[in-house]
Amino acid sequence: RKEVEQDPGPFNVPEGATVAFNCTYSNSASQSFFWYRQDCRKEPKLLMSVYSSGNEDGRFTAQLNRASQYISLLIRDSKLSDSATYLCVVNSDPAGTASKLTFGTGTRLQVTL
Amino acid sequence: DVKVTQSSRYLVKRTGEKVFLECVQDMDHENMFWYRQDPGLGLRLIYFSYDVKMKEKGDIPEGYSVSREKKERFSLILESASTNQTSMYLCASTSGRFYEQYFGPGTRLTVT
Repeated sequence: RKEVEQDPGPFNVPEGATVAFNCTYSNSASQSFFWYRQDCRKEPKLLMSVYSSGNEDGRFTAQLNRASQYISLLIRDSKLSDSATYLCVVNSDPAGTASKLTFGTGTRLQVTL
Repeated sequence: DVKVTQSSRYLVKRTGEKVFLECVQDMDHENMFWYRQDPGLGLRLIYFSYDVKMKEKGDIPEGYSVSREKKERFSLILESASTNQTSMYLCASTSGRFYEQYFGPGTRLTVT
């Protein structure tokens, strides 16, 4: 089983729609969780962290479910500019070192007119 | 703004050649990383470095080595390139907030 699993998509949604992605992780000792965004042929960039209490940043909401070992990303009122691949990232090292960042393969979102 | 630059965007090399990929960051970050990204496999960590002259193996170090002689520069070396090393190579750096990794634009390496 992969350490971090994501549905590769693509998710094709119209502008204005709400879309949600899930990501499951296998290591119950995982400490920290993040979403990165990667535009086509570009480098990944940190989108947001995921806290136990949930985290909202404008149209984006990230949530963590430790019991079921998944994190989610919800995008409301989708824009064309949201089209990208969203990478789920998990840190499984109790010491919190970057060496244990595990990246998912990403979920591709395509927002259309 | 943090800037991470990589020496080449595209590179074509022959099997058996020695290949150097260079990465430079301008924000005085302690930590630097080399990943490769392949379809269906995501980003995989090759090597990382916490300080000058320090290096640690990541998940897939076989066939690679690294060098960090100066804080701002982290080089990835393919001692004898093979076709299965054809990939996108991404360098990243970070400071205290280890999870906020700043990536370079990537080098697409093709080994023929």
